[in-house]
Amino acid sequence: QLVLTQSPSASASLGASVKLTCTLSSGHSSYAIAWHQQQPEKGPRYLMKLNSDGSHSKGDGIPDRFSGSSSGAERYLTISSLQSEDEADYYCQTWGTGIHGVFGGGTKLTVL
Amino acid sequence: EVQLVESGGGLVQPGGSLRLSCAASGFTFSDHYMDWVRQAPGKGLEWVGRTRNKANSYTTEYAASVKGRFTISRDDSKNSLYLQMNSLKTEDTAVYYCARRERSSGAFDIWGQGTMVTVSS
Repeated sequence: QLVLTQSPSASASLGASVKLTCTLSSGHSSYAIAWHQQQPEKGPRYLMKLNSDGSHSKGDGIPDRFSGSSSGAERYLTISSLQSEDEADYYCQTWGTGIHGVFGGGTKLTVL
Repeated sequence: EVQLVESGGGLVQPGGSLRLSCAASGFTFSDHYMDWVRQAPGKGLEWVGRTRNKANSYTTEYAASVKGRFTISRDDSKNSLYLQMNSLKTEDTAVYYCARRERSSGAFDIWGQGTMVTVSS
């Protein structure tokens, strides 16, 4: 069964960098994922698609401060030069043959 | 501007029905698979279901939690997506989002702002 695991919370200081992790379940380390941001009281926003080799393609208007990388079954979202508006929930999502919609539990990012 | 706008949410009693709509603009709606995703209060995102495009016979899939109760349809002539919800339960209370699937992958690359459905007596 394909499961995405995320830490429930993370925090970092204004202006600093933070790295969020999404872990694919055993046997699924080759899967691509997407990262989505959900600011308080708003709908989700697509950030990027991230492949197993670390290559990624960002959505329209996503700042260069957001980047992605991969290692094995782990997919990372790095946000540099943190701003107050980056305080949000971040979800990873994956897909595949016969796998229609799988989300991680989300990470709540607090900007200190 | 590429945009999805949901409507039709509201308060409904358990066992009742509701139909949500999603109006698309700014892109060729008929080319894309479209999905519904929901979020219960204070919870994470949950996939509800998907409709493929005309080239793939408009076939649909549903999450086990809604299969047999919810029906997804689309009208490409109106650039619109629909979610017919029957036999509603209190656990269906959530914000419902429509989302566009990227053509080259399964990533949801455009989201609507959501519409709230409350199932309560």
